[in-house]
Amino acid sequence: DAGVTQSPTHLIKTRGQHVTLRCSPISGHKSVSWYQQVLGQGPQFIFQYYEKEERGRGNFPDRFSARQFPNYSSELNVNALLLGDSALYLCASSQWTSGSYEQYFGPGTRLTVT
Amino acid sequence: GESVGLHLPTLSVQEGDNSIINCAYSNSASDYFIWYKQESGKGPQFIIDIRSNMDKRQGQRVTVLLNKTVKHLSLQIAATQPGDSAVYFCAENIRNYGQNFVFGPGTRLSVLP
Repeated sequence: DAGVTQSPTHLIKTRGQHVTLRCSPISGHKSVSWYQQVLGQGPQFIFQYYEKEERGRGNFPDRFSARQFPNYSSELNVNALLLGDSALYLCASSQWTSGSYEQYFGPGTRLTVT
Repeated sequence: GESVGLHLPTLSVQEGDNSIINCAYSNSASDYFIWYKQESGKGPQFIIDIRSNMDKRQGQRVTVLLNKTVKHLSLQIAATQPGDSAVYFCAENIRNYGQNFVFGPGTRLSVLP
């Protein structure tokens, strides 16, 4: 059974451009979350989607947006890129099972903004 | 704002010894915690979780201890192996439905031969 997949693996963009990152959750998982991980720090929560609806939003500017599709895959969009947006973007799919929150992360997309 | 932090940014242990990684949290309303392991170039991997109505939970070679009085969480790894070398994060659930996990800055565990 495939785990969480993300594409692309690496991406280089210039300031002002926009970017779309993609995520496919584990089969059967209806919830997808996005995290930003700056080098040397822990992941920071950006969004969570469940059944195509936004269920949570972290402290990120409106340049960040996301959506979830009927097949539960998700896209994260970032507009007007800044140098500070350079980071590893992690997608996690999750579900509650027997009292535990099974949250599995993908390998991430490494975004470099120049 | 609320945050999860770690006492030690780096930890070096001899292979075969036990490791203890600590974490302090500040939100007394948090009711669920997860420890993650992140190896270089990979996403965080679930190790073990604990709910706030428990003070100890054991897994395979790992034990998580929760002290709500002092808002402290620890991860104990028994008989540390080279494959345990990684960065370890504790994550705190602030909301009831698991949407928003706050991660600490991480502790790098290095296992010495």
